[in-house]
Order: sequence, then structure tokens, then C-alpha cells
Amino acid sequence: EIVLTQSPGTLSLSPGERATLSCRASQSFSSNYLAWYQQRPGQAPRLLIYGASGRAPGIPDRFSGSGSGTDFTLTISRLEPEDFAVYYCHHYGSSPPFTFGPGTEVDIK
Amino acid sequence: QVQLVESGGGVVQPGRSLRLSCAASGFTFSSYDMHWVRQAPGKGLEWVAVIWYDGSNKNYADSVKGRFTISRDNSKNTLYLQMTSLRAEDTAVYYCARTDCSGGSCPLWGWGQGTLVIVSS
Repeated sequence: EIVLTQSPGTLSLSPGERATLSCRASQSFSSNYLAWYQQRPGQAPRLLIYGASGRAPGIPDRFSGSGSGTDFTLTISRLEPEDFAVYYCHHYGSSPPFTFGPGTEVDIK
Repeated sequence: QVQLVESGGGVVQPGRSLRLSCAASGFTFSSYDMHWVRQAPGKGLEWVAVIWYDGSNKNYADSVKGRFTISRDNSKNTLYLQMTSLRAEDTAVYYCARTDCSGGSCPLWGWGQGTLVIVSS
């Protein structure tokens, strides 16, 4: 089973600042199988990034993903008020279980 | 537009059973793999189960294997999760989620709003 670790647990930033979120895997896997989701309070998760760097339809270009192997990154170039939320990375590779990371909360400083 | 509407949640005693449903609309349900994901109160996301587009393959998290069964009725555009031998730790919001692939490894493109299951005596 691939275990995902996210850091930091909480990121306190101001609107307009850059956010860099990390997701590290316990073993290497294809970047084709790494996604990022955003979850706002009281809402269902929403797909942001798939295949480590592909942006889902309708997702603003301030969101970008990168990485390979065991280290992946989600970057939000300039935080908007609606971006303060929890972000999860997700491995959906060829073999279940399809694990999620524990999440990074981006909150307002 | 694409819609996923879960139902069937509620309060249930430990050891009892419950069946969740997820009604899908706005897309060709029978073409896509479907998942259940849960979220305990104040906690993160936990993948629960997946079923291929045609029901031919199913996989489960170890935490629910042998107790939960995922199924689908493509004629009714509905996904199910039969939960038996429920435990307090199964208390969570249960989301159904769709992919955009058939029999493959794909991200979760769309999510329902979830249904809350509380296991308590």
C-alpha cells in the first residue's frame, strides 16, 4: 500500500501570497496517477489536478501541479479568498487501495 | 449537468446493516467506474471501494473488506454500498464519486454531496 504524507499540516498565508503544498509517497509510482483535490468547509471535494500536472476543466491557472517519483507539489501562485480550504493528494494507480494524504489546510494569516 | 445524489444515511446501531444509494444523472453512467469515499467527522478522506463500469471488478479498503459490498444497477443509473456489521468507526459522510474511465485507473472527476452515517447505540 502506498502511504501519502502531506506537509505542512497547516499553512497560514495572506491573500495574494504563494502557497506551496507537498505530498510525499512511501514508494515511487507513476506521476500519471497523482491527483489533488480541494475541499472547502461543508462542501464535497473538487478535483483540481490529475496526472500530477494536468489541470481539471474550469480550474484557474493559478493552480499548478508538479513532481514525479515520490515527491509531488501543488502550487497556488496568488491566493484568492476562495482558495482557503483543505487540499488532499490522492494516489489512484493500478493497484488499490487508492489512498489519500491526510490533507493540508490553507488558512488565512 | 452531471449530478450524483447520495441517500440512505442515518443513525444505526453497531452490528446492524445499512444500504447507501447514489443516483447518477447527466452522464452515461454505464460507461464509467465509480467509487465510494468516506470522511469521518473532522477527519480526512478515506477511499472505501471501487466498481468497474460493468460491475466486473470490485476492490475494497482493508478497513471494510468482508463487511461492505459495492454494486451498481446500470439500468437504473444507481450505485450502491451495502454495509454490514457496522462499527462506531464507520461513522462518516459517505461520498460517491465518478471517474471518466472504464476499467482503468482514473481520478475522481465528480462527487456527490454525501450522506451521513452515524453508528451509535
